[in-house]
Amino acid sequence: SAVISQKPSRDICQRGTSLTIQCQVDSQVTMMFWYRQQPGQSLTLIATANQGSEATYESGFVIDKFPISRPNLTFSTLTVSNMSPEDSSIYLCSVEDTGELFFGEGSRLTVL
Amino acid sequence: RKEVEQDPGPFNVPEGATVAFNCTYSNSASQSFFWYRQDCRKEPKLLMSVYSSGNEDGRFTAQLNRASQYISLLIRDSKLSDSATYLCVPFIRSTLTFGKGTMLLVSP
Repeated sequence: SAVISQKPSRDICQRGTSLTIQCQVDSQVTMMFWYRQQPGQSLTLIATANQGSEATYESGFVIDKFPISRPNLTFSTLTVSNMSPEDSSIYLCSVEDTGELFFGEGSRLTVL
Repeated sequence: RKEVEQDPGPFNVPEGATVAFNCTYSNSASQSFFWYRQDCRKEPKLLMSVYSSGNEDGRFTAQLNRASQYISLLIRDSKLSDSATYLCVPFIRSTLTFGKGTMLLVSP
């Protein structure tokens, strides 16, 4: 099973600033996924990140707000730009391995 | 209609009880289904896949009713450690679509 490390695990940020979340996987994977889980809500897919191409964003999410990098097969970053309190959420990195979706422990973001 | 609907609970049950969770999904083309478990302040983890014929894994039984677009999870002989949120996850339009989850609280 894939082991995923995310950092930061939590952060408190001022509105208008940006935060970059890092995701490191212990094996090479084709696709990495970024999810958001707002308080009391289900996980919502933000985008799929493929190495060597632009990320594919789901409806309601745009690259300017959530730029993603995927420089190699084991690493990805998600940036939450120009943050507002509505961006307060848990952001989770995920990979698919042998038919199962594995998640990082999540990055808990609070925007003041 | 929401893509995935679950009773949010919480379900409060004593140790040893049997409890069942239901989930309905809107997309009849969904082919794969899963139950994930999410502990408080933790990431989701796969509990079990759901097969067309229904499947059992120890105390856990999952069933699928395609005609009614309905998935269920049965937990027998509940343990304190079963306390968590259980997420229904159909595969819709090439994406795993997560329900809000049903919270289970097992008490001594």
